[in-house]
Amino acid sequence: DAKTTQPPSMDCAEGRAANLPCNHSTISGNEYVYWYRQIHSQGPQYIIHGLKNNETNEMASLIITEDRKSSTLILPHATLRDTAVYYCIVRVAILGNEKLTFGTGTRLTIIP
Amino acid sequence: EAQVTQNPRYLITVTGKKLTVTCSQNMNHEYMSWYRQDPGLGLRQIYYSMNVEVTDKGDVPEGYKVSRKEKRNFPLILESPSPNQTSLYFCASSPHSTGGNQPQHFGDGTRLSIL
Repeated sequence: DAKTTQPPSMDCAEGRAANLPCNHSTISGNEYVYWYRQIHSQGPQYIIHGLKNNETNEMASLIITEDRKSSTLILPHATLRDTAVYYCIVRVAILGNEKLTFGTGTRLTIIP
Repeated sequence: EAQVTQNPRYLITVTGKKLTVTCSQNMNHEYMSWYRQDPGLGLRQIYYSMNVEVTDKGDVPEGYKVSRKEKRNFPLILESPSPNQTSLYFCASSPHSTGGNQPQHFGDGTRLSIL
């Protein structure tokens, strides 16, 4: 799986949009971009994923650049409950193993 | 509610005493996996299963066993636990895919302490 680079930490004011960047310059054409988050020591929570097009769901939006070398996760109206470590992962299933390779992620702190 | 359920959530035990951490999912997923999370090392895959009776080693399988006799259950077995297996464990499941287009859903974790 391609390597990702994320800032180690970010702050965002409550109620504002949180924009979390991720670089994945070595991504292959068949690799998806996934975002997960982990609150304290809870299980990683799936947020969103995409291949080429921008995606939106009830939790967030994912913006992928045209060359696919970077992406941004957008939490439109951050709340205190969004404080977590956010992981950007690029992956393709190899021989049926859906293994996720988590990096160090971005620790997002929402400021009241 | 769709979920992955792990039990127990917390366990303190002693070296050499066999233990099993259960994992059950109610989403009819083919794929299940176990990870361990340690400070500074991130999540590492222990074992995975692509379907009933099909299991394979992940990155750190030593000291662990698994079984997949039913689709919904994927227990993690520590035959002779040692202190270096003290960790936070997560079970995950997803529908089978051939291109990585299916998100995995994780359980709430099991914090294991081996004394």
